[in-house]
Amino acid sequence: DAGVIQSPRHEVTEMGQEVTLRCKPISGHDYLFWYRQTMMRGLELLIYFNNNVPIDDSGMPEDRFSAKMPNASFSTLKIQPSEPRDSAVYFCASRPGTNTEAFFGQGTRLTVV
Amino acid sequence: AQSVAQPEDQVNVAEGNPLTVKCTYSVSGNPYLFWYVQYPNRGLQFLLKYITGDNLVKGSYGFEAEFNKSQTSFHLKKPSALVSDSALYFCAVRERADTGFQKLVFGTGTRLLVSP
Repeated sequence: DAGVIQSPRHEVTEMGQEVTLRCKPISGHDYLFWYRQTMMRGLELLIYFNNNVPIDDSGMPEDRFSAKMPNASFSTLKIQPSEPRDSAVYFCASRPGTNTEAFFGQGTRLTVV
Repeated sequence: AQSVAQPEDQVNVAEGNPLTVKCTYSVSGNPYLFWYVQYPNRGLQFLLKYITGDNLVKGSYGFEAEFNKSQTSFHLKKPSALVSDSALYFCAVRERADTGFQKLVFGTGTRLLVSP
């Protein structure tokens, strides 16, 4: 398996634009997580899904952020409109079960100018 | 709610010396504990985990960690450091629960710098 695949690896966009980050989890993994990493706040859990259903989105910072998982092999994190303070590295991770570790993608480095 | 503390922002060791990266945790019940490593411009890579059983857990690249329930600690150790071990290390905890969903909470990370 190729692991968790995220695209794009880098994204530079202007303030106010819509940004969509994509994630393909490892096949067979029931859980999918979106994290954000910044120098100031470290790793923050934004939202996670179990069997394609959003379970906890309490980490989503604002209504500008939304996430979907239309099927077991694909998830998106959308920011609309984007702001400079959204600049961060966004990680997707997946996990096969409850007593297991999560596997992380390479991340998407987002820069909003 | 669970939490993790990594009290050291950076740990410096000389190659060949033993290393310890500290982690303490707080959960209301029994924990699942994890260590991850992050190299520059990369995602987090799993090193090792404690779920149950033996308190001494061995993981990838010669790392090990000891679960100490009385001290609520899960320090990462390696007998002999390599320059290539230089990276950012994260401790994480999740509360064990038979039902419901529990978040994995990460510490702030400790940068390990191994000098030649």
